[in-house]
Amino acid sequence: RKEVEQDPGPFNVPEGATVAFNCTYSNSASQSFFWYRQDCRKEPKLLMSVYSSGNEDGRFTAQLNRASQYISLLIRDSKLSDSATYLCVVNRGTNAGKSTFGDGTTLTVKP
Amino acid sequence: DTGVSQNPRHKITKRGQNVTFRCDPISEHNRLYWYRQTLGQGPEFLTYFQNEAQLEKSRLLSDRFSAERPKGSFSTLEIQRTEQGDSAMYLCASSALGDTQYFGPGTRLTVL
Repeated sequence: RKEVEQDPGPFNVPEGATVAFNCTYSNSASQSFFWYRQDCRKEPKLLMSVYSSGNEDGRFTAQLNRASQYISLLIRDSKLSDSATYLCVVNRGTNAGKSTFGDGTTLTVKP
Repeated sequence: DTGVSQNPRHKITKRGQNVTFRCDPISEHNRLYWYRQTLGQGPEFLTYFQNEAQLEKSRLLSDRFSAERPKGSFSTLEIQRTEQGDSAMYLCASSALGDTQYFGPGTRLTVL
């Protein structure tokens, strides 16, 4: 079993739709969590950190459920430009070096 | 451009040859990371440095792989006696103390 697991998708949604991705992690000692976005043949870029209380950035909302060891990303009012692969990232500690990435969930937003 | 830079961007080599990649991190970042990514997979951690000290190496990193960061600034990743299975995108990232990592554009390696 992988340390960080994501549904690979692909998720194909129309513009304006709401879409949610989940990610589960196996190491209960994990302390910090992130969502990165990766466009085709480009490097990953930080989308948002995930805090225990949940956090929102415009159309994007991230949630953390420590008891069930999963994090989620909700995208509201999808835009064509949201089409990308979304990577879930888990770190062992708030200041730990190693990051463990999931294999990503691919989203395609269609007109 | 003050982001992470990597050179070369593409490298094609024959099996058995040695290759070396370079990463220049964001200047004030003291942590530097190397990852490998293949198609359809997320980045896999290889190693990371804090300043010039290599603090962790993945078990994925065979004896053919070595990384250095001699003065705590740029880093090099060398692969000796390349194999076809080494073909991948090699990503470098840097961060200040803390977790937000900023990635470079990567070096795409093709081993023929």
